Amino acid sequence: GENVEQHPSTLSVQEGDSAVIKCTYSDSASNYFPWYKQELGKGPQLIIDIRSNVGEKKDQRIAVTLNKTAKHFSLHITETQPEDSAVYFCAASLSGSARQLTFGSGTQLTVLP
Amino acid sequence: DSGVTQTPKHLITATGQRVTLRCSPRSGDLSVYWYQQSLDQGLQFLIQYYNGEERAKGNILERFSAQQFPDLHSELNLSSLELGDSALYFCASSVVPLAGGSNEQFFGPGTRLTVL
Repeated sequence: GENVEQHPSTLSVQEGDSAVIKCTYSDSASNYFPWYKQELGKGPQLIIDIRSNVGEKKDQRIAVTLNKTAKHFSLHITETQPEDSAVYFCAASLSGSARQLTFGSGTQLTVLP
Repeated sequence: DSGVTQTPKHLITATGQRVTLRCSPRSGDLSVYWYQQSLDQGLQFLIQYYNGEERAKGNILERFSAQQFPDLHSELNLSSLELGDSALYFCASSVVPLAGGSNEQFFGPGTRLTVL
């Protein structure tokens, strides 16, 4: 089955700096890669996603890049703010009727004011 | 607010007991997924239902079962509970899991299960 590895497990940045979280996946058939933000006591919230026919996608301060050849994808957050502090999860999904997500182990991002 | 609702928010029970967790998907979503989040295992897929039928199974124990009803709400039944079953249980929903359709899954707020 699919295996997703995520690094780093913790990341501290100064407010205004950029943060980068990286993930690798094992199954070349995976074609959908979402990122979720989870705040304490809440469910994961979808913040951005990318499909395998696209190399990069941006939404305001958040961007995701995908390298299908190397089987890795990354989340980039620019101009970080204290409210960006949370746990971020990457995930991968196969195509077809069964679309369950395989998650990475998560990154605790702390933005220091 | 994702539009996915889960009840109860918290559940405390004893080993050997049985509990039922409930999920209502977003309006219009036909597919429901159950995930377990624990400190040592992270977020793990348990089972998926689409329009009342089981579609995929993950690392779901035989003591656990689920179903999706005609009104599309879903229930996850956990029986013969053990201490290690203590975790957050999330439900997610998506529109249609057919090829070429949207993959986006929206998560509910979760049910925190504590087994004593």
